[in-house]
Amino acid sequence: DTGVSQDPRHKITKRGQNVTFRCDPISEHNRLYWYRQTLGQGPEFLTYFQNEAQLEKSRLLSDRFSAERPKGSFSTLEIQRTEQGDSAMYLCASSLDGHRFYTEAFFGQGTRLTVV
Amino acid sequence: AQTVTQSQPEMSVQEAETVTLSCTYDTSENNYYLFWYKQPPSRQMILVIRQEAYKQQNATENRFSVNFQKAAKSFSLKISDSLLGDTAMYFCAFTPRNRDDKIIFGKGTRLHILP
Repeated sequence: DTGVSQDPRHKITKRGQNVTFRCDPISEHNRLYWYRQTLGQGPEFLTYFQNEAQLEKSRLLSDRFSAERPKGSFSTLEIQRTEQGDSAMYLCASSLDGHRFYTEAFFGQGTRLTVV
Repeated sequence: AQTVTQSQPEMSVQEAETVTLSCTYDTSENNYYLFWYKQPPSRQMILVIRQEAYKQQNATENRFSVNFQKAAKSFSLKISDSLLGDTAMYFCAFTPRNRDDKIIFGKGTRLHILP
């Protein structure tokens, strides 16, 4: 396994268009996270899945954003009617639920979105 | 609110020198994890070192060590014998131990190791 992979690596879109990103976690990991990183900032939590269940969503995730993780494997993040403020790096991470013990979250290389 | 503050936006040191990156955090939690992540240019973020708040002993990983001061809510990273490959963004981060479902990151420190 080569780690968390994200596709595409870069996306340029016109304002108002819809975009969809994909994340493939490490195969045995049941937790999957989406973060957004804007220039000069640290990553900010967007949402989190345990298997196929979306357990938490940040208030940063407006109605234009939707995330899915069908069958608890890969995940998609869709942004509808993109705005220039959506331009950012979208990071995916995965981990194995360690129940009482912490297990490391592994990050993908991210998808850089530019809205023009 | 839980926050992580990194007061040094950018630092530069010569190769082989020792550098310390600062981090403070704010939380009402008693049990939590603290992290330093490294994000090299155009590459994915990797975990450098982790500290569990209930452990008094400072974590070390080869050339990387932390100075964890729980009462002061301070968590600095020391990089000894710095290498050119240490050039990266470094993020201090935090997650509560009882609900490790999200990591809260600071804004980062851009570290340049100069030849």
